[in-house]
Amino acid sequence: QKEVEQDPGPLSVPEGAIVSLNCTYSNSAFQYFMWYRQYSRKGPELLMYTYSSGNKEDGRFTAQVDKSSKYISLFIRDSQPSDSATYLCAMSLFTGGGNKLTFGTGTQLKVEL
Amino acid sequence: DAGVTQSPTHLIKTRGQQVTLRCSPKSGHDTVSWYQQALGQGPQFIFQYYEEEERQRGNFPDRFSGHQFPNYSSELNVNALLLGDSALYLCASTVGVGDTQYFGPGTRLTVL
Repeated sequence: QKEVEQDPGPLSVPEGAIVSLNCTYSNSAFQYFMWYRQYSRKGPELLMYTYSSGNKEDGRFTAQVDKSSKYISLFIRDSQPSDSATYLCAMSLFTGGGNKLTFGTGTQLKVEL
Repeated sequence: DAGVTQSPTHLIKTRGQQVTLRCSPKSGHDTVSWYQQALGQGPQFIFQYYEEEERQRGNFPDRFSGHQFPNYSSELNVNALLLGDSALYLCASTVGVGDTQYFGPGTRLTVL
């Protein structure tokens, strides 16, 4: 079983829709939770970063963490064609003096006109 | 504010060869991590360098090695290349070992 599970999609939605992206994880030691956006053949771009259970909002994006259920979500409101990308969830773990990120496989999102 | 930069952008090598990839961290950052991203997969952690020392290592063979220089830039070396080493290699930087990581554009390595 992978430490982080993420539905790879693809997910296709009409412009203006609310998008829900989700990840589950098995390691309760994960401390920080992030969402990255990756356009084709580019590096991941940090979207949201949180460390506690609850919601965090930034513009059209809301990140939700439920540590008791080991479940995180990213909601995108009023989705735009420019949101079409792969969305990666990532979780950090501090061990041995270092900090590594463990990623999901990514969900490919397409927002259509 | 300069972000994370990586060179080269693309690289083609043959099996058995050796390759060196380079990374300069974001301005003000002192920690560099390397990740391998195969097509259709999420990035996999290779190792992290802080204060010129390898602080943590992922599940990669010894063929993968690295170095961090006094100016915080870093190199990733891969020896005895295999076809399966073909991937996007990503460098990420942060401050210390406890903050969020910002990624560069990556180096796409193709092994023939």
